[in-house]
Amino acid sequence: AQSVTQPDIHITVSEGASLELRCNYSYGATPYLFWYVQSPGQGLQLLLKYFSGDTLVQGIKGFEAEFKRSQSSFNLRKPSVHWSDAAEYFCAVGGRGAQKLVFGQGTRLTINP
Amino acid sequence: DAGVTQSPTHLIKTRGQQVTLRCSPKSGHDTVSWYQQALGQGPQFIFQYYEEEERQRGNFPDRFSGHQFPNYSSELNVNALLLGDSALYLCASGAQETQYFGPGTRLLVL
Repeated sequence: AQSVTQPDIHITVSEGASLELRCNYSYGATPYLFWYVQSPGQGLQLLLKYFSGDTLVQGIKGFEAEFKRSQSSFNLRKPSVHWSDAAEYFCAVGGRGAQKLVFGQGTRLTINP
Repeated sequence: DAGVTQSPTHLIKTRGQQVTLRCSPKSGHDTVSWYQQALGQGPQFIFQYYEEEERQRGNFPDRFSGHQFPNYSSELNVNALLLGDSALYLCASGAQETQYFGPGTRLLVL
């Protein structure tokens, strides 16, 4: 069965600190992995995606993620967070050919000034 | 270039009523997917349309139905509304493996 686990429901970091959000997936075929961000009451914005190749992928807003097949993980990182990064972050897995996305429960990020 | 658009933005219905939500995909995209996001949860896949046919379906009852038009726009219909149908309904369009989301329609069932 396809599934995504985001172990941290809520994370609080100070502005300027580094950030890592965890994501573990279970998928029977080659996974296509995504991170989306959602501000309150808004839709989902794509941060980055991994299909193949270099396991470290760069996204928008200074985010990056690393695919580790042996650990079935796709963790999101940012070296220095800004107050505007406060939002809900979702990891998702899909398959070849724009198949359905399976989402994790999300991680809510709070930034302390 | 407009992104994915959805209408209406908000909707209030009563139990037992029927509702229709609309989605226009991003230009050049031919696949439309619908997701339901309950409060505090991740989005759940409802179904996907491609070439006016339902290509995939998630674990949702037949009360949830849809349609895709020749211009690739799509509708989501929900019959016999239940209180539990209250959620944010997200439409996503894509051309290949990447899906781009609209702002959503917030449905409240009283």
